[in-house]
Amino acid sequence: SAVISQKPSRDICQRGTSLTIQCQVDSQVTMMFWYRQQPGQSLTLIATANQGSEATYESGFVIDKFPISRPNLTFSTLTVSNMSPEDSSIYLCSARAGGLNEQFFGPGTRLTVL
Amino acid sequence: GNSVTQMEGPVTLSEEAFLTINCTYTATGYPSLFWYVQYPGEGLQLLLKATKADDKGSNKGFEATYRKETTSFHLEKGSVQVSDSAVYFCALNGNTGRRALTFGSGTRLQVQP
Repeated sequence: SAVISQKPSRDICQRGTSLTIQCQVDSQVTMMFWYRQQPGQSLTLIATANQGSEATYESGFVIDKFPISRPNLTFSTLTVSNMSPEDSSIYLCSARAGGLNEQFFGPGTRLTVL
Repeated sequence: GNSVTQMEGPVTLSEEAFLTINCTYTATGYPSLFWYVQYPGEGLQLLLKATKADDKGSNKGFEATYRKETTSFHLEKGSVQVSDSAVYFCALNGNTGRRALTFGSGTRLQVQP
């Protein structure tokens, strides 16, 4: 299994600002993902973080709003840019190791935008 | 594309009652199927999984059987406890295309003493 940590665990931000969320995995993984979970909702995939190249975004999510970095096999960041109250959600980092079918999740970052 | 449909919640049961949470899926090929649980204020934890037809995943008294003929993966437990109160998510991982999990909408379970 993989243990995933995220920072910050929660934050309250002002409209128009940006927040960068960090995700650290305790072992090398082949795939990392970022999800959003809006209040009372299910998980929606934002993008797949690709090591050494641009992330692959799902429909409805764009790089300018959610820039993602993945400089190595254990670390990724997600930035939520120019935030509005509609961005208030829990953002979850997830990882999958090569050859394993399981996906592991971080504890999430609870973001509130005022 | 892939999709997962779960029964609407919330589901409210008395302690020791029998639980079923329905899950059906649409996918090409032979996906792997999962149940995740999210306890209040916590992150997602893998509860159980099944990777091929007729497999039964089990953990902590919960079970689910991969039924290809009905494209279902219903979650069951014979006797629920108050500590089982949580949100349960059914998910699939297709073996082609997107490699990330696709989730159902989640079902909130509330068990009363």
